[in-house]
Amino acid sequence: DGGITQSPKYLFRKEGQNVTLSCEQNLNHDAMYWYRQDPGQGLRLIYYSQIVNDFQKGDIAEGYSVSREKKESFPLTVTSAQKNPTAFYLCASSRDFYNEQFFGPGTRLTVL
Amino acid sequence: GESVGLHLPTLSVQEGDNSIINCAYSNSASDYFIWYKQESGKGPQFIIDIRSNMDKRQGQRVTVLLNKTVKHLSLQIAATQPGDSAVYFCAESNDMRFGAGTRLTVKP
Repeated sequence: DGGITQSPKYLFRKEGQNVTLSCEQNLNHDAMYWYRQDPGQGLRLIYYSQIVNDFQKGDIAEGYSVSREKKESFPLTVTSAQKNPTAFYLCASSRDFYNEQFFGPGTRLTVL
Repeated sequence: GESVGLHLPTLSVQEGDNSIINCAYSNSASDYFIWYKQESGKGPQFIIDIRSNMDKRQGQRVTVLLNKTVKHLSLQIAATQPGDSAVYFCAESNDMRFGAGTRLTVKP
């Protein structure tokens, strides 16, 4: 089955620790994205990548980092510099930059 | 672009009624629009899309209308069911940012 996966579904971390969220797709999509969603809010763009080894900051990139070493993988690291990291994180991919996005199931991160 | 961080507008309808969800876009050069549905605790899913050379497109129980003059999209859901309760987002093809969305609640 083709799709996009995120792991883990729930993640708990202590304040001050870095944490990496996984995102994998087997759809052969060039573009991948990371969004953050807070309760009762819309999606806010963190980072995106149009092609392997290239990525761009979105609207709220501060305190986050990404890598795109492989086409199918786009991990997101939430660093200790992110002041309020508790949120629902969504990864998406699309065939290219201008097509519909396919979303993963999300990771709910709670920082204690 | 639209403001982010605002609370979602809400729409409450009775089961069986038709629902209309509206969306405004900002870029007059946008040529492809997509509606997504997000159920609680899940990622958004594609519902229907429309290209700028069309005014209307119909799917199963859903219709999207595009008014390029006023840069407005609407999603119409016929005979709304409890399973339609979700948050609905519109998106433009050349802007991967999403609007605040609309929370649809269907009352039995």
